[in-house]
Amino acid sequence: SAVISQKPSRDICQRGTSLTIQCQVDSQVTMMFWYRQQPGQSLTLIATANQGSEATYESGFVIDKFPISRPNLTFSTLTVSNMSPEDSSIYLCSVEVTPGEQYFGPGTRLTVT
Amino acid sequence: GIQVEQSPPDLILQEGANSTLRCNFSDSVNNLQWFHQNPWGQLINLFYIPSGTKQNGRLSATTVATERYSLLYISSSQTTDSGVYFCAVETNFGNEKLTFGTGTRLTIIP
Repeated sequence: SAVISQKPSRDICQRGTSLTIQCQVDSQVTMMFWYRQQPGQSLTLIATANQGSEATYESGFVIDKFPISRPNLTFSTLTVSNMSPEDSSIYLCSVEVTPGEQYFGPGTRLTVT
Repeated sequence: GIQVEQSPPDLILQEGANSTLRCNFSDSVNNLQWFHQNPWGQLINLFYIPSGTKQNGRLSATTVATERYSLLYISSSQTTDSGVYFCAVETNFGNEKLTFGTGTRLTIIP
């Protein structure tokens, strides 16, 4: 398994502002993943972050809205830009420690007013 | 893309009851995981089970990949079992992307 931490655990933000979420893992991993969970919904993959290359975004998600950094093998950030109330969600990062098995961070609960 | 449907969507049980949660997927998968999301939003790994049967205490899971479904069994339910259960599948070996199911919300009443 892996120990994954996220900061902040929750935040309340005003519309039009941006929030950067940090994800730290206790071991080196090749790929990190960012997911969004809207209220009452399942999880949807936003993007895959490889160290040393641009993130790969899923359909419906764009870099201008969700810029991602991956400066090393244990850390990544996701920024939610120009927020609107529709961005209110739980944002989770995950890593694959053993082939085929992903572990998730505790999530960041974002409310946009 | 692949469709992952879970049933039932909601389940309310008395403490001590047994339950079976189902996950159906529309295409071949390479990997399958079951998660429990607790009331605080934390996703807890239950099983990594691309095929076969596994057991861990009161929980067990079976995946029949050829028939495109997986089952999660919970016996002697406790209130701490409450939350949302998700299955998630990986369809293409090596791309590591998980597609999550629709979820089953389980409520255990004391």
